[in-house]
Amino acid sequence: EIVLTQSPGTLSLSPGERVTLSCRASQSIVSNYLAWYQHRPGQAPRLLIYAASARATGIPDRFSGSGSGTDFTLTISRLEPGDSAIYYCQQYATSPQYTFGLGTKLEIK
Amino acid sequence: EVHLVESGGGLVQPGGSLRLSCVASGLTFSSYEMTWVRQAPGKGLEWISYISSSGSVIYYADSVKGRFTISRDNAKNSLYLQMNGLRAEDTAVYYCTREDRLVVDYWGQGTLVTVSS
Repeated sequence: EIVLTQSPGTLSLSPGERVTLSCRASQSIVSNYLAWYQHRPGQAPRLLIYAASARATGIPDRFSGSGSGTDFTLTISRLEPGDSAIYYCQQYATSPQYTFGLGTKLEIK
Repeated sequence: EVHLVESGGGLVQPGGSLRLSCVASGLTFSSYEMTWVRQAPGKGLEWISYISSSGSVIYYADSVKGRFTISRDNAKNSLYLQMNGLRAEDTAVYYCTREDRLVVDYWGQGTLVTVSS
């Protein structure tokens, strides 16, 4: 099983700032099959990024993904209060038995 | 717009059963693979089951194999999860998700299952 480790666990930033979230895999992820999701409380998780760097439909270009192999990042620029959420990375190289990281909780205040 | 709406959660005693449903709209349901993912309180997301678009291919996580059964009715745009032999550790929010070419691109809002005496 591919284990994904996300860091940091929690962070608090101000509107307008930029943040980079990390996701490290226990082994190389084939074809960079790595996705990022945003999960606001009480809402359905939303796909942000797939294939490590491709933005999902309707996702603003403030969200960008990068990385390959075992190290991946999600960068959010010009932070807005609505970006407060938990962000999860997921590998689907072993689909359908994919795995998730434990998440990074981002607070914007 | 794609919508996935789960239902059927609730409080059940250990050893009991529940059947979750997920109704899909805004998509050609029969064209897509579907999965169930759960999140226990204070824990991460866990994939638990997959079903192919036709229903002919099914997978389960080891944690639920032999107790849970996934199924679908393409005529009703519906996905199901029959859960038997429920345990306290099955307490979680259960999400219905759509897969498109390996990517989980849509999720429902989830339904809460609580297993407790």
